[in-house]
Amino acid sequence: DTEVTQTPKHLVMGMTNKKSLKCEQHMGHRAMYWYKQKAKKPPELMFVYSYEKLSINESVPSRFSPECPNSSLLNLHLHALQPEDSALYLCASSQDLPGNTEAFFGQGTRLTVV
Amino acid sequence: GENVEQHPSTLSVQEGDSAVIKCTYSDSASNYFPWYKQELGKGPQLIIDIRSNVGEKKDQRIAVTLNKTAKHFSLHITETQPEDSAVYFCAASKGSNYQLIWGAGTKLIIKP
Repeated sequence: DTEVTQTPKHLVMGMTNKKSLKCEQHMGHRAMYWYKQKAKKPPELMFVYSYEKLSINESVPSRFSPECPNSSLLNLHLHALQPEDSALYLCASSQDLPGNTEAFFGQGTRLTVV
Repeated sequence: GENVEQHPSTLSVQEGDSAVIKCTYSDSASNYFPWYKQELGKGPQLIIDIRSNVGEKKDQRIAVTLNKTAKHFSLHITETQPEDSAVYFCAASKGSNYQLIWGAGTKLIIKP
C-alpha cells in the first residue's frame, strides 16, 4: 500500500467555521507533511512532523493548527480562515525527511473559503 | 538561500517527439534532485530522482542529467505519449535535514 489518503476531497467553509482536514498513511513512514498549493504554483511547505513531533513550522498563521495523533494520522485544524487561504492542501509522507528521499503525496483537499 | 529556476513554463510537443525541461540551482551544496509529475486533480508523484554523485539516470523513457559544475539538471522524456501531459516540477535539496526547494513548474502538453 503506497497510498496517502486525504479527506475530504473538497471543502467549502465560511470564515467563522471550524473544520479539519485528515490524512492517513500505512507505509510506516516517519515523516508527514502539510503543503499548500495555489493554482499554477509549486507546493509550499507548511508543517513537518518527524516521529510524531512537529519539527518544522514554516511561519504558518495560527488559524492553521496541525496535529499528529499517531504515526499514521495527520490532521490540520482550520479556524477563522480568510478567502486567500483557498487552495489545494496536500498531505505527504516519506520514510526519511524530504530532502533525501521520495515523498508520497495524497490527492489533496480543495479548500474554498467563502 | 537556495533558489531553483525551471524552464520553460509551458512546453508543447508532438506525440512521439522528445521533451526536455531544464532547471538551475544556486546552492552548490545541493545533493538531491527529484522530479515530480502532477496530473490534473492529483498530488505530485515522484518520477525520477538523482543524487550529486551520479551524472545521469535513466528509467525507460525518462532520464535525468546533472551538471554539478554548471549547477543545472534536466529531465528528458523520449517518445512522448498523451499520458505524459501534466505539470512537472524539479526540486533541489542539501540533504535529509533540509527542505526541498521547488522549481516553478512546467506544463507539458502532448499534441496528438
